[in-house]
Amino acid sequence: EPEVTQTPSHQVTQMGQEVILRCVPISNHLYFYWYRQILGQKVEFLVSFYNNEISEKSEIFDDQFSVERPDGSNFTLKIRSTKLEDSAMYFCASSDARGGADTGELFFGEGSRLTVL
Amino acid sequence: GQQLNQSPQSMFIQEGEDVSMNCTSSSIFNTWLWYKQDPGEGPVLLIALYKAGELTSNGRLTAQFGITRKDSFLNISASIPSDVGIYFCAGPLPNFGNEKLTFGTGTRLTIIP
Repeated sequence: EPEVTQTPSHQVTQMGQEVILRCVPISNHLYFYWYRQILGQKVEFLVSFYNNEISEKSEIFDDQFSVERPDGSNFTLKIRSTKLEDSAMYFCASSDARGGADTGELFFGEGSRLTVL
Repeated sequence: GQQLNQSPQSMFIQEGEDVSMNCTSSSIFNTWLWYKQDPGEGPVLLIALYKAGELTSNGRLTAQFGITRKDSFLNISASIPSDVGIYFCAGPLPNFGNEKLTFGTGTRLTIIP
């Protein structure tokens, strides 16, 4: 069964360092997302991406964050200068149609845990 | 910001018992979604509700979209060990675009053997 895959599963980094989290969405999907879950809290929307550009972003997604689809398969989230409060589980998701969030048909990866020291 | 409040926050039940949890919002939703998150994994969609008053089942799970469009409940009948996890309600908020899902605060389900 097709699935969203994420790497690394866990990354530990020093405050101020750059981090890149990688995702391979389901191959025929066109809409890509990053969500974040701070330990013990709810899942929060960060950004959605379609047609090689950001379609929507939250207030969490500030200038320290960027997303990219560098090739036909990968979708990356970069945090330029990590802060302690960036420690969280980051989930990539994809859907095959606009309104994927509207219908709930988002397929989530297993997440990348980021620990900032 | 917009908030989806779930209750209870956590539940400890015996295997075989039925479970009921709910989700409320101060805003109207046009779609209500219920996700389950197993430990160390991403959320997985369980049930999607698209119409006020709709009652939908998926195996032992039943969910309803409240008439006011500001609430939803999820029931699990005859719980089994693999039901353990965190259950989140979620929905796309009108005026915030279709691409953003807002998640509830979660209900953690623990099953006592």
